[in-house]
Amino acid sequence: DAGITQSPRHKVTETGTPVTLRCHQTENHRYMYWYRQDPGHGLRLIHYSYGVKDTDKGEVSDGYSVSRSKTEDFLLTLESATSSQTSVYFCAIRGQASSYNEQFFGPGTRLTVL
Amino acid sequence: KQEVTQIPAALSVPEGENLVLNCSFTDSAIYNLQWFRQDPGKGLTSLLLIQSSQREQTSGRLNASLDKSSGRSTLYIAASQPGDSATYLCAVVSGGSNYKLTFGKGTLLTVNP
Repeated sequence: DAGITQSPRHKVTETGTPVTLRCHQTENHRYMYWYRQDPGHGLRLIHYSYGVKDTDKGEVSDGYSVSRSKTEDFLLTLESATSSQTSVYFCAIRGQASSYNEQFFGPGTRLTVL
Repeated sequence: KQEVTQIPAALSVPEGENLVLNCSFTDSAIYNLQWFRQDPGKGLTSLLLIQSSQREQTSGRLNASLDKSSGRSTLYIAASQPGDSATYLCAVVSGGSNYKLTFGKGTLLTVNP
């Protein structure tokens, strides 16, 4: 699992509340990514980071923000959650050395917005 | 914009059968292609990575091929087992994209004992 953990693993929240998901890695990976997975859409990139304080938007970034103040943590924030953001969220890292061209995924966070 | 398509969306086979999963992509300027496996309610497990300069990669009973010019990849699974039942996802990294993956929607494979 390349030392990737996500927290929380499950969360139920209400529309309009802020939510922050955390991705933590222990192996000094430079690149980190947030994806969401939805039936009928597959996995889509939300935001990614290519270093501390270096982030950029993905395909479905509206309604989401990210921060990366240290190498090991990449936070995804829903400023005001909506029902359309009910999804499974995956964090990924780009490997290193012989695995530099691979991405490895965390276990996911299942978010339900009521 | 890169688009990735996987056919079929679902496949059911008897145990022991050899099978092929298909992946196609619209922009042939890819950096590499990665096949993943996803079990229900779980994360993604990387199976095989094919660099753009390679034609195929093998790992155990799995063999993945890549034909960039035609925008196609196949994942061949030999002697399928019930434990192979999962969703298989194909993803590509397009050139100059800061290493972002574009995914297909997956093929749900069921291997019946």
